[in-house]
Amino acid sequence: GESVGLHLPTLSVQEGDNSIINCAYSNSASDYFIWYKQESGKGPQFIIDIRSNMDKRQGQRVTVLLNKTVKHLSLQIAATQPGDSAVYFCAERVGTYKYIFGTGTRLKVLA
Amino acid sequence: ETGVTQSPTHLIKTRGQQVTLRCSSQSGHNTVSWYQQALGQGPQFIFQYYREEENGRGNFPPRFSGLQFPNYSSELNVNALELDDSALYLCASSEGLAPQGGANVLTFGAGSRLTVL
Repeated sequence: GESVGLHLPTLSVQEGDNSIINCAYSNSASDYFIWYKQESGKGPQFIIDIRSNMDKRQGQRVTVLLNKTVKHLSLQIAATQPGDSAVYFCAERVGTYKYIFGTGTRLKVLA
Repeated sequence: ETGVTQSPTHLIKTRGQQVTLRCSSQSGHNTVSWYQQALGQGPQFIFQYYREEENGRGNFPPRFSGLQFPNYSSELNVNALELDDSALYLCASSEGLAPQGGANVLTFGAGSRLTVL
């Protein structure tokens, strides 16, 4: 399949360990944020979202933390599995229709 | 429930040519957004269509244009292709417009990979 992101920052994690992927966003007025996962040859896939009036949200094996003071998002993946290997993007919603995506982080899960 | 489908999956054009990319939105979704993803970068917003009208536009020149049809499917047209237009073009659908401060998940298709020679 085609490669998504040849020169992205890479996070290598041992299988079973927890992963933390960080993202700095740009607009203090952004009111909604989404984390997406993108595998080679595929479009971005929704993982978890969070509204700006929250600072933490948990899903199945994933947690998103939002720090509006420093405009920072993080995605925590518990017990990382080989299937989690992909490029991860954070996206902030600006206004009512536009999402700004980060540059992405490649997650490599080591067996 | 069907997801977002895009066609063609891959295509090659030469500079100066025109291209049309197509997108069928997910069942129940009436809003379509288009994004351009260059290799090694995150998707960049091109424009959004809601009820057959352009609802917002990113920083792309007028040679990027679109349409939305009554069945909510959409087309992206690019005229006078340039080498820098080579990218993955992603279509995303959503249910209505984003409520202020509320959730509005974009569901993406697999994209159309355009190569301009």
